[in-house]
Amino acid sequence: QKEVEQNSGPLSVPEGAIASLNCTYSDRGSQSFFWYRQYSGKSPELIMSIYSNGDKEDGRFTAQLNKASQYVSLLIRDSQPSDSATYLCAVLNTGTASKLTFGTGTRLQVTL
Amino acid sequence: DGGITQSPKYLFRKEGQNVTLSCEQNLNHDAMYWYRQDPGQGLRLIYYSQIVNDFQKGDIAEGYSVSREKKESFPLTVTSAQKNPTAFYLCASSIGYSPTEQYFGPGTRLTVT
Repeated sequence: QKEVEQNSGPLSVPEGAIASLNCTYSDRGSQSFFWYRQYSGKSPELIMSIYSNGDKEDGRFTAQLNKASQYVSLLIRDSQPSDSATYLCAVLNTGTASKLTFGTGTRLQVTL
Repeated sequence: DGGITQSPKYLFRKEGQNVTLSCEQNLNHDAMYWYRQDPGQGLRLIYYSQIVNDFQKGDIAEGYSVSREKKESFPLTVTSAQKNPTAFYLCASSIGYSPTEQYFGPGTRLTVT
């Protein structure tokens, strides 16, 4: 079973701080990685995709990928209370066409 | 506005009844997907379709059925054979076969008693 693992949290950070969310995956051949944000009771919203090693920045969000260590992370700078949500990591496994495997998510709480 | 719509938002059914969940997209996406989400669990793939009139089973297809007669529509039927149907059902779509930036509809919360 190809797995994606995340710490369920909650991860609590003060407003204005950097939140760091981590995800590890078991399929060494995975090529595509995605971060979704899911507010309570709502559907997931795609916030970042990353395909190659290194960093990818989009506004306050930075995705980091290290294929050798099989982890992908999401940094949120200047965290705001509106960032409080569950963040889902998703990985496209090799040989599975367009099937994504999702982690169970990390719940982030940004405190005032 | 382009997007994915799912209806209804909430659905209540008695055990033993089949129920069909609607999913429509006007994004001109080729691929569509159905996921199920249970508390404390990741999204699990039920069925997916990459082209009209063709679909494949996901990881938990037992007790479910789908059709893809039109590019825009991918309805999911939860049959009475599904042992634990109460869940949050999410429909998603993506532009093509790969890469797979998938975009989700608002979801349908199904409760079976």
